Amino acid sequence: AQKVTQAQTEISVVEKEDVTLDCVYETRDTTYYLFWYKQPPSGELVFLIRRNSFDEQNEISGRYSWNFQKSTSSFNFTITASQVVDSAVYFCALSEATGGFKTIFGAGTRLFVKA
Amino acid sequence: NAGVTQTPKFRVLKTGQSMTLLCAQDMNHEYMYWYRQDPGMGLRLIHYSVGEGTTAKGEVPDGYNVSRLKKQNFLLGLESAAPSQTSVYFCASSLGGYSYEQYFGPGTRLTVT
Repeated sequence: AQKVTQAQTEISVVEKEDVTLDCVYETRDTTYYLFWYKQPPSGELVFLIRRNSFDEQNEISGRYSWNFQKSTSSFNFTITASQVVDSAVYFCALSEATGGFKTIFGAGTRLFVKA
Repeated sequence: NAGVTQTPKFRVLKTGQSMTLLCAQDMNHEYMYWYRQDPGMGLRLIHYSVGEGTTAKGEVPDGYNVSRLKKQNFLLGLESAAPSQTSVYFCASSLGGYSYEQYFGPGTRLTVT
């Protein structure tokens, strides 16, 4: 069965600190996709990244980086030199090839970045 | 491009009343979804559609109905609202199935008293 666990409910950091948001997933499929979405205070979810199960390369996009490790079933997200504008709820999500069209979302991690 | 839009943004209903939420997308996406977001539970899929004229049940479909008469529109109906349906509802669309990212609307905050 699909499951996504984001154990950190809330994280609070001071601006310019680095912060890592954890995501652990469960799946029996060999073909699956992992996603991260950002939900700022305005409420609309915004897509950040997609990673398929056959590509374990880490990815960096500006201050954002993602570490995908199949051995530990984790897809962690790091923000380097955090800024106040990074304050949001971040969701990790999983969809499987055999899961139909269902994407399972984690409960989300609320990040507070204080000036 | 407006992307994904939802109407209304807010609504208060009394128990037993009915209403329809409208979702529209202008990206020519085949797939559309309705989710509800409750505190501490992430997003849960209510119903989805893989193309015009098709609908299917998601994770929490009870108490909701949907229709997709036009490719760009996906309607979510509550026939007899219950307090348990108090939530924030998000519509989303995607170009394809499981491997594609979803684009979300701004959400509708529904309160049932």
